Amino acid sequence: GAGVSQTPSNKVTEKGKYVELRCDPISGHTALYWYRQSLGQGPEFLIYFQGTGAADDSGLPNDRFFAVRPEGSVSTLKIQRTERGDSAVYLCASSFGGRTDGYTFGSGTRLTVV
Amino acid sequence: DAKTTQPPSMDCAEGRAANLPCNHSTISGNEYVYWYRQIHSQGPQYIIHGLKNNETNEMASLIITEDRKSSTLILPHATLRDTAVYYCIVRVRGKLIFGQGTELSVKP
Repeated sequence: GAGVSQTPSNKVTEKGKYVELRCDPISGHTALYWYRQSLGQGPEFLIYFQGTGAADDSGLPNDRFFAVRPEGSVSTLKIQRTERGDSAVYLCASSFGGRTDGYTFGSGTRLTVV
Repeated sequence: DAKTTQPPSMDCAEGRAANLPCNHSTISGNEYVYWYRQIHSQGPQYIIHGLKNNETNEMASLIITEDRKSSTLILPHATLRDTAVYYCIVRVRGKLIFGQGTELSVKP
């Protein structure tokens, strides 16, 4: 597609529920990144994939968060037992994966845990 | 942690140049400086990046000091649509680590 697509654009869930957030990167981009942005803060790195494997997952806050990219294209960020503190905008970005390639970001998924 | 320091906010008059400073005194020799901006409710947008030489594209110019400890992003003729949060980022081990950014307000 023309850009990075994230679905849904908004998600409201109850505390304790499981959610999945989807990212469709730009076709041909081998690297994919997930960030989380709380109100008034800069985006916080979570994880990045090079192809199908997680090259760096050091930003995942705890074991309730998990991400997959089984075929090296679409990625899903999974959050178990959601907490109110997980409420944020979750951003996905992709790039060609070169050392200096810029990222293209999607518009994000706004997750609200009530 | 982010390796950059930026002023939290700046104002600029429409039509004038906006000069956004950034300090990155701990930058390593092979780490690039990137600039992104984020308009409300959108994802960050790439502007420009550089290593040691000054860079220019259709959006902006990037001036990096000779010692590489600071840089300035220049928007030559700011418009109201340039109102956004501007992030100066040092890319570390393949990742962009964002700081708090500078909120630029362009005023008529």
